[in-house]
Parts: sequence; structure tokens; C-alpha cells
Amino acid sequence: DGGITQSPKYLFRKEGQNVTLSCEQNLNHDAMYWYRQDPGQGLRLIYYSQIVNDFQKGDIAEGYSVSREKKESFPLTVTSAQKNPTAFYLCASSIGAGGKGEAFFGQGTRLTVV
Amino acid sequence: GDSVTQMEGPVTLSEEAFLTINCTYTATGYPSLFWYVQYPGEGLQLLLKATKADDKGSNKGFEATYRKETTSFHLEKGSVQVSDSAVYFCALRGTGANNLFFGTGTRLTVIP
Repeated sequence: DGGITQSPKYLFRKEGQNVTLSCEQNLNHDAMYWYRQDPGQGLRLIYYSQIVNDFQKGDIAEGYSVSREKKESFPLTVTSAQKNPTAFYLCASSIGAGGKGEAFFGQGTRLTVV
Repeated sequence: GDSVTQMEGPVTLSEEAFLTINCTYTATGYPSLFWYVQYPGEGLQLLLKATKADDKGSNKGFEATYRKETTSFHLEKGSVQVSDSAVYFCALRGTGANNLFFGTGTRLTVIP
């Protein structure tokens, strides 16, 4: 089945640690996205990538980093510079940026700082 | 810039009641409009979409009509079920845009 797989589902981070959230898609989509979801705030865009080896900052990129070395993979690293990382993180993909298409979402990763 | 304003919740309805969740948007050109649904602890699932004015998206008894004259895309269902309890997000993709913009979400609870 085609889809987007995020792992792990739950992740715990100690203060000062970097952690990496995995996102893989087998939909052959060019565009991929990372969103952060906090209660009552909807979804906020962290980073997006329209094509391999290229990515752009979204609205809340500070404290995060990404890479896009392969079309199917778009990992997100939450660095120690992110002061309030506890949130639900959603990865998405779409056929291509600039079109009319919808985004398809993974099941999310819930990150908690302990 | 592009934006979506969504009716704030939470909304609590009895089973078989009529549902309306309001959504209005600001965008240049002719955006595509979407409704997504999120069940507890899960990602977002596309519920329906409309890509041009006067289009009606429909799925699982839910409907929404793309109204350019009122810049609206209200979600409706004639008879809700307990299983419809979830958070609903309105979203848009502007013409040539690289990203989707989301509303803040509306939590719906349906009681038996």
C-alpha cells in the first residue's frame, strides 16, 4: 500500500539532546513537508522540500533542521536550540508544489521533553 | 497573504443532528480548498476537496461548496454519528503555492 510512514510514534528527549524524526513515502511525490501541531494552534509549517537536495524554511524553522537526500525520505532533526519542542509532528507529501493537489499525511510523532 | 479562518469550537451535537462548520478564506487567484479530519492520536486524512468555484466536494455524507463570491467553504452533514467525533481542519492551497494553509481546527463531539 502506498503511503507515508513516520517513526517513531512516540519519542522522548532529554534536555539538550538532538533527536531525529523519520518520514518515508512511497507515493513517488516530489514535495514533502513537516508541520508542528500544538493544542488550539492548528498546523504550523516547519520546513518543506519541493525536490531532492532542496528545501525551504517555513514559518517556524528555528531550532529544526532537515535533509532531502532521497526522494522518498525527509527526516527532521529537532535540535537543542528548539526551546519548546514538546509537540505533535506531522509529515506530509504532495504530487508537486505549485499544483492544486492535496497533501497526504503520516500518522505523526509525539515528541516529549523529559 | 493566504489564510483560512475557521469556526472555533468545540462543537457538541446529539446524534443525527445537522452539522455546519464555517470556513472562510483569503487568497489571490483561484485556490484549491480542502477539509481534513483528524481522529485522536492520528494524522490528518483528506475528507473532501474542491478545486474551482462552485465545485461541491463530498464524502461520507459530508459536503462543502466552493463559494468564491463569499470566499467560503463551509462543511455540512445532514445527520452526524458518534463516529464523526474528531477535529476538522479547513485548508487551502493558493494558485502556484508551495504549501497548504490550515485553519486552527474545530473539535466536534457527537453524543448518543
